[in-house]
Amino acid sequence: EPEVTQTPSHQVTQMGQEVILRCVPISNHLYFYWYRQILGQKVEFLVSFYNNEISEKSEIFDDQFSVERPDGSNFTLKIRSTKLEDSAMYFCASSLDVYEQYFGPGTRLTVT
Amino acid sequence: KQEVTQIPAALSVPEGENLVLNCSFTDSAIYNLQWFRQDPGKGLTSLLLIQSSQREQTSGRLNASLDKSSGRSTLYIAASQPGDSATYLCAVRSNDYKLSFGAGTTVTVRA
Repeated sequence: EPEVTQTPSHQVTQMGQEVILRCVPISNHLYFYWYRQILGQKVEFLVSFYNNEISEKSEIFDDQFSVERPDGSNFTLKIRSTKLEDSAMYFCASSLDVYEQYFGPGTRLTVT
Repeated sequence: KQEVTQIPAALSVPEGENLVLNCSFTDSAIYNLQWFRQDPGKGLTSLLLIQSSQREQTSGRLNASLDKSSGRSTLYIAASQPGDSATYLCAVRSNDYKLSFGAGTTVTVRA
């Protein structure tokens, strides 16, 4: 069964560094999403992406975040200058239509 | 803004007992509702998706109901097993692209 994959599974970085989290959505899906879950808190929506542009973003998704679909298969989330509070599990999701979203296993980001 | 609440926050039952997990949401204008399972430190596994026009959805021992007008959904797990121990998340899709999640119910099934 097709699945969403994410790399790396765990990323440790120093405060102020740039990180790129990578996702490979299910191949025929058209909608892509990033969510994050700070330890012990709710899963929160960050951004949705369709037709090579951002379709919606939350107030969390400020100028230090960006997303890209560089080559038609990968979907990336870049954090330009990481802060301690960016430490969280980041989930990528994809969907064929606007209905059911399929989630990847997540990347645990630790900012020290 | 859609707010999703799950009650109880935690539940511990002996093996074989049926589980009832509740989810409520504030805005009834939804497209669908998804129930997920999350194991500690792991990703989200979709269990059931109910479209706004549906009243319930079943998969094996799992049954989810939806009462859109009252803003409620219930997940029933029959004949619980220790392997059902996990956190169960309810997520609602409103008239936009995103899912709004509840905080989850952490279930422990005692052997």
